[in-house]
Amino acid sequence: GAVVSQHPSRVICKSGTSVKIECRSLDFQATTMFWYRQFPKQSLMLMATSNEGSKATYEQGVEKDKFLINHASLTLSTLTVTSAHPEDSSFYICSASSGETEAFFGQGTRLTVV
Amino acid sequence: GIQVEQSPPDLILQEGANSTLRCNFSDSVNNLQWFHQNPWGQLINLFYIPSGTKQNGRLSATTVATERYSLLYISSSQTTDSGVYFCAVETAGNQFYFGTGTSLTVIP
Repeated sequence: GAVVSQHPSRVICKSGTSVKIECRSLDFQATTMFWYRQFPKQSLMLMATSNEGSKATYEQGVEKDKFLINHASLTLSTLTVTSAHPEDSSFYICSASSGETEAFFGQGTRLTVV
Repeated sequence: GIQVEQSPPDLILQEGANSTLRCNFSDSVNNLQWFHQNPWGQLINLFYIPSGTKQNGRLSATTVATERYSLLYISSSQTTDSGVYFCAVETAGNQFYFGTGTSLTVIP
């Protein structure tokens, strides 16, 4: 299947700093990318949908100014957690779709804010 | 949004036993996938199954789209089957809505 690479896989940052997570589609052009969040022992929740070249669409309850999403090219989307706080600690996963087949998931990023 | 519920939430099996995991969803969907999440959090795709039945080794899955449910069968369970199993339904926009998950523990 297609490959979606997410980086970094694990990051620890200080409270108040910003963290950027990258999601790349390695062998296909992803017209749409999705970002999910997973709290410990819970399910994955869709945070936002981003289409290349346009603003992301956020799910209800997700702060746009806290979670900045950029999808500047057909192979790269970034999620920036701004002014991170301990409650932002979570597992973040991206998925990418060409619009022609199913979506493929990245390996996930475990963020810990101390 | 679409509601996706899985049962049971937790399951403990003796090695060698069989099990059935269920996924109910509240609306029509384009597709459905079953995932196994490993201890590192990575989602391992098990089945891409919008309808019908598929089998892969000891695992098989059946989706009855008209009745809005899917089943994952695990036969002759092994300790390596332990982990969390998620079903996720896919909308026309390729968005996935995940179920509540089933945490499976297989004991030797």
